[in-house]
Amino acid sequence: AQSVSQHNHHVILSEAASLELGCNYSYGGTVNLFWYVQYPGQHLQLLLKYFSGDPLVKGIKGFEAEFIKSKFSFNLRKPSVQWSDTAEYFCAVPASGGSYIPTFGRGTSLIVHP
Amino acid sequence: GAVVSQHPSRVICKSGTSVKIECRSLDFQATTMFWYRQFPKQSLMLMATSNEGSKATYEQGVEKDKFLINHASLTLSTLTVTSAHPEDSSFYICSAKDGNQPQHFGDGTRLSIL
Repeated sequence: AQSVSQHNHHVILSEAASLELGCNYSYGGTVNLFWYVQYPGQHLQLLLKYFSGDPLVKGIKGFEAEFIKSKFSFNLRKPSVQWSDTAEYFCAVPASGGSYIPTFGRGTSLIVHP
Repeated sequence: GAVVSQHPSRVICKSGTSVKIECRSLDFQATTMFWYRQFPKQSLMLMATSNEGSKATYEQGVEKDKFLINHASLTLSTLTVTSAHPEDSSFYICSAKDGNQPQHFGDGTRLSIL
């Protein structure tokens, strides 16, 4: 089964700083990858997903992620964060095959100071 | 967009009682619903998958007699934690999807057993 690991558990930034959150996956055949976000007091939302094609994936709210096969990575980036980006971010892979059932990483808590 | 409502958001009860958590899809038919559990500072873990009208499929290590899942309609699934004990205290979150569409998550339920 595939799994993911997120190495940054807590990240604190000032507004306008650039963001990169790490996500590494274990190889398990076809690679599909997701990033989810959970804002304080809200439910999980899908930020972006990679199934195939262009390895640079654009998501909502200015986020993007790049699939680098040689590094087994799918890092999440945003050039300039805002206070409203304060949230918990989860990298995920499908539990099996190409399903939409995700297996989540531990999550990264991002705090953006105004 | 698609909305999943989870109720209650917070429950505190005595050890030995049973607790029911509801998960409703408000504006779409949820052919499949998922139940996750998150321990503090750990990943979201898939507990079980349920398809409407069928018995739930539990992940390895999850006690089906302890965590009863019912998915009797296309808009409602329930998770009942039977004879709850302090070690069952956790954050439980449901998600729902229609066919091959991505999942939509509920807001989660914080369960505390005294």
